[in-house]
Amino acid sequence: NAGVTQTPKFQVLKTGQSMTLQCAQDMNHNSMYWYRQDPGMGLRLIYYSASEGTTDKGEVPNGYNVSRLNKREFSLRLESAAPSQTSVYFCASSVNRYLNQPQHFGDGTRLSIL
Amino acid sequence: DQQVKQNSPSLSVQEGRISILNCDYTNSMFDYFLWYKKYPAEGPTFLISISSIKDKNEDGRFTVFLNKSAKHLSLHIVPSQPGDSAVYFCAASVNNNDMRFGAGTRLTVKP
Repeated sequence: NAGVTQTPKFQVLKTGQSMTLQCAQDMNHNSMYWYRQDPGMGLRLIYYSASEGTTDKGEVPNGYNVSRLNKREFSLRLESAAPSQTSVYFCASSVNRYLNQPQHFGDGTRLSIL
Repeated sequence: DQQVKQNSPSLSVQEGRISILNCDYTNSMFDYFLWYKKYPAEGPTFLISISSIKDKNEDGRFTVFLNKSAKHLSLHIVPSQPGDSAVYFCAASVNNNDMRFGAGTRLTVKP
C-alpha cells in the first residue's frame, strides 16, 4: 500500500547543478502535482498534470520542468539549481482530473542548495 | 500575496478539550475550502472540506465552519486527542482550480 512515493528523501546540491525528483503513484490516479513548502508559507503549486500527456504551470513554475512519463510517474527537474530553490518538495495525486484537489501526498523531498 | 492566512502559528490544548483552528481568506471568489493535516516527515493528508454553499460540515470529531461574510473558516476538533498533534493547513480554491494554502498551524494536544 505505497500510495505516492518520492525519491530521494534528502538531497544537497551545489548552485548550478541539475537534479530530477522522482514521483510515482500506484493508485491509478489521473492527476499529479508538485508543490514546494517553505518556512512560514503554505504549499505552493509548481506544476500539475491533469492526465497522462498533459502538464500545466502552477503558481511558481520558474526554474522547473516536469515530465509526465506515464500515468504512474511525474518527475520534477531543476536544470540549474539556485539557493532560492532550497525547500521541501511534495508530490501529490488525485483521482479526478477535473478537480484540482490533491488527495494523497508523498512524504516529501528535502532539497538544500548551497 | 497570501490569499489564505492562518494567523496563529501554534496552538496548545489539553486532551479532551476543544481545539479551534482559524483561517482567513481575502479572495471572495473562493468557493471550496479544505483542511489538511500533516505529521512530521510525512506528506499532508486530506481531512475535511466544505463548499461555499454550506456553512458547516461535520465528520466525526471534526467540524468545519464557514463564514463567507467574514471570509473566515474554522476547524473544530472535539474532543482533542494527543494523536491530533500535527500541523493543520487550510486551503481554498476557485472553481476547483488554483488552490491556495495557508502557512499552517501547529496543534499540540497535551495529555
